Amino acid sequence: QLQLQESGPGLVEPSETLSLTCTVSGGSISIPTYLWAWIRQPPGKGLEWIGNIYYTGTTFYNPSLRSRVTISVDTSKNQFSLKVTSVTAADTAVYYCARRSQPTPYYMDVWGKGTAVTVSS
Amino acid sequence: QTVVTQEPSLTVSPGGTVTLTCASSTGAVTSGYYPNWFQQKPGQAPRALIHSTSDKHSWTPARFSGSLLGGKAALTLSGVQLEDEAEYYCLLYFGGAQVFGTGTRVTVV
Repeated sequence: QLQLQESGPGLVEPSETLSLTCTVSGGSISIPTYLWAWIRQPPGKGLEWIGNIYYTGTTFYNPSLRSRVTISVDTSKNQFSLKVTSVTAADTAVYYCARRSQPTPYYMDVWGKGTAVTVSS
Repeated sequence: QTVVTQEPSLTVSPGGTVTLTCASSTGAVTSGYYPNWFQQKPGQAPRALIHSTSDKHSWTPARFSGSLLGGKAALTLSGVQLEDEAEYYCLLYFGGAQVFGTGTRVTVV
């Protein structure tokens, strides 16, 4: 059974870089029929799609975050990662990784449990 | 920036029926946006319920159904149970991008 697990620091200082990793277990990240996604949820607010990555390294980003976000993949470790630069309190959120199907039909069926990140000094 | 709007909150009685909708600022929602629906309970990750407008995942209870209604995507809960009390989010696909809806809080009383 495929499982995703987010990991990384729970506290990041303002203006620094937030770095998270999602480890995929129970299956390969290098399957052509899936993309790998990052989503976040600020406290008490809704879900926000951050971006996707294909195992080849092709990426798709939310236009509102594109200038600060980088998603990368390490197929040898079955992991993909998220970096958000110049963070502020507005980046405080629970960060989720998920699997997204491709091509159609599109769905996001497997999610990690999420990891909470607080931006504060 | 595309905005996907849902009702902020809805209340339903146990055993009743409630319909949630999902509208796009770009115009009518069609099957080409592959509407997805997710359920999220406090402290938990979202759980996928519906994809491609009306297709259920293998774990989706039969009382959940999806459709298009008046230019919007819709999620209908029939025979609502207490355990259905949760936040529900829609998700629309716009080419390489995805946009979540604002979320609907469903209260069962």
